[in-house]
Amino acid sequence: DAGITQSPRHKVTETGTPVTLRCHQTENHRYMYWYRQDPGHGLRLIHYSYGVKDTDKGEVSDGYSVSRSKTEDFLLTLESATSSQTSVYFCAISDGGGHNSPLHFGNGTRLTVT
Amino acid sequence: DQQVKQNSPSLSVQEGRISILNCDYTNSMFDYFLWYKKYPAEGPTFLISISSIKDKNEDGRFTVFLNKSAKHLSLHIVPSQPGDSAVYFCAASDHTGNQFYFGTGTSLTVIP
Repeated sequence: DAGITQSPRHKVTETGTPVTLRCHQTENHRYMYWYRQDPGHGLRLIHYSYGVKDTDKGEVSDGYSVSRSKTEDFLLTLESATSSQTSVYFCAISDGGGHNSPLHFGNGTRLTVT
Repeated sequence: DQQVKQNSPSLSVQEGRISILNCDYTNSMFDYFLWYKKYPAEGPTFLISISSIKDKNEDGRFTVFLNKSAKHLSLHIVPSQPGDSAVYFCAASDHTGNQFYFGTGTSLTVIP
């Protein structure tokens, strides 16, 4: 299994509070991704990173920011959580930027915004 | 707008029979396709992939077929086993490889 650790695994927070999810990898892979999984939508890309301090938006990036100060860590921040951000969040890594290099996923963080 | 579509939310198959999961895509720039398997409370696990230069790729009981003209791919599982019961996602990326687009998933149940 790819060495990917997501923390926390579960979190309940209130609307309007900031939340940070952490993804840590031990594979030294260049690419890291944040996805959310919702019923009827599958997995949708929030943000991704192609190197330290290099990030870009995915298809559902509004309301989220990311940071990558070290190769091994990729943080996802909800500046002011809303109920629509209740979801399961998955971090993924890839060593080749995706082309002919599959993503490997962590076990997810279940976030509930009340 | 969903660029990768899995139109069957669920599928039930008898143990030992073939399972066929289907996936359609709309973006002709996609050239790398993957299948993932997901159990509850776990992350998706990579199963098998195919590049657009091929029309078939096989790995044990799993075979992926790609029909570029129809923008269609399928995953065949033969023979199906109860442990194959899971949600299956197809995914695709273009030549940049920076983004992967996923379908909504098909829940497969293999009946013993």
